[in-house]
Amino acid sequence: GQQLNQSPQSMFIQEGEDVSMNCTSSSIFNTWLWYKQDPGEGPVLLIALYKAGELTSNGRLTAQFGITRKDSFLNISASIPSDVGIYFCAGPLNAGNMLTFGGGTRLMVKP
Amino acid sequence: DAGVIQSPRHEVTEMGQEVTLRCKPISGHDYLFWYRQTMMRGLELLIYFNNNVPIDDSGMPEDRFSAKMPNASFSTLKIQPSEPRDSAVYFCASQKWGSLAKNIQYFGAGTRLSVL
Repeated sequence: GQQLNQSPQSMFIQEGEDVSMNCTSSSIFNTWLWYKQDPGEGPVLLIALYKAGELTSNGRLTAQFGITRKDSFLNISASIPSDVGIYFCAGPLNAGNMLTFGGGTRLMVKP
Repeated sequence: DAGVIQSPRHEVTEMGQEVTLRCKPISGHDYLFWYRQTMMRGLELLIYFNNNVPIDDSGMPEDRFSAKMPNASFSTLKIQPSEPRDSAVYFCASQKWGSLAKNIQYFGAGTRLSVL
């Protein structure tokens, strides 16, 4: 089945550092979604990507839809303590409405 | 917009008891999804509905799990009888199908279930 592999699984960084994480698949995706889950809350959408090569920003966050359609990247610039949480990539299974989620990247920021 | 509302936020119960989790989707959304999240297995889709009709329940782990959507503004996930291995965070998500919101699901805050 379609699986999304996220890396790294966890990151422990200093406040102010830039962060980069990625998501890869053996299958082609037509949509890539990036969610963030704060502790004790549900995932919240950060960025949605719909075209290969697309680069989209949301504040300090930038995400890219890989040219091969098999990967996506999320970068966070100048991290702050409230960036702490789990970041998930997700994409639609086949042509349906179900999403498959990556295993998540747990980000910890040291003030 | 109130977002997806789930209740209760926390549930602690004893093995063998019936548990009912509730979800109110965002008004106007025509898809509703139930997920389970654990450290070991991550986010797993249990079942989803389209216009109140169950479409795919292949993720429901056992017959002890059942879900209903009696109307467009309410859904329940029931576990009867509950077991300790059901302990997890259960999320409800809703989605409005349309070209501008393609595939985007909006999640509730979740119900943290502990079965003792």
